[in-house]
Amino acid sequence: DTGVSQNPRHKITKRGQNVTFRCDPISEHNRLYWYRQTLGQGPEFLTYFQNEAQLEKSRLLSDRFSAERPKGSFSTLEIQRTEQGDSAMYLCASSWRGLNNEQFFGPGTRLTVL
Amino acid sequence: ELKVEQNPLFLSMQEGKNYTIYCNYSTTSDRLYWYRQDPGKSLESLFVLLSNGAVKQEGRLMASLDTKARLSTLHITAAVHDLSATYFCAVDPEYTLLQGAQKLVFGQGTRLTINP
Repeated sequence: DTGVSQNPRHKITKRGQNVTFRCDPISEHNRLYWYRQTLGQGPEFLTYFQNEAQLEKSRLLSDRFSAERPKGSFSTLEIQRTEQGDSAMYLCASSWRGLNNEQFFGPGTRLTVL
Repeated sequence: ELKVEQNPLFLSMQEGKNYTIYCNYSTTSDRLYWYRQDPGKSLESLFVLLSNGAVKQEGRLMASLDTKARLSTLHITAAVHDLSATYFCAVDPEYTLLQGAQKLVFGQGTRLTINP
């Protein structure tokens, strides 16, 4: 399968715990994006990388959130001291910087904070 | 702040009927994307519209873009049950030829239910 993959697919945690999600983009794509989607809403942009450089962060990405993309391959999104409001689907997408720049989405990680 | 508004948000229709979903956005953008999402699933890319007047068709779905009116439409012809899903439009407001796309701003989605 050459699509975007995300792990884990589901995560249930208690408030105050730290969680980490992983995204593996399509191998030839140099851009990687993180979005968050809550029930009944469209995805909201969190951050994106070109290769290993983090180029933009949304104001939605509080200090408890950190994202990395070491070596420009897979990416991790960590949430520290989770809150119930962090419960959402976290979507990763990748694209090749070019004229089209179509973003392809992974299956998402559904986070539930109890 | 950029706003992307879809209309309607909920649509229930019968098989065989035609209907149109509208996507309005509040800032200049020459490119617009349509995605489909099934319940509990991720987003599937449907159309990429890259210029004013662009029209693309795939099966019973046809999308168009009018950048002057800041409006895109997704037209459904002779709907079938398999098209039941939530449809999102998304705009890339910060695209430049030099930088490429930056991020997508999505509408709220249109939940489409097609009844036999």
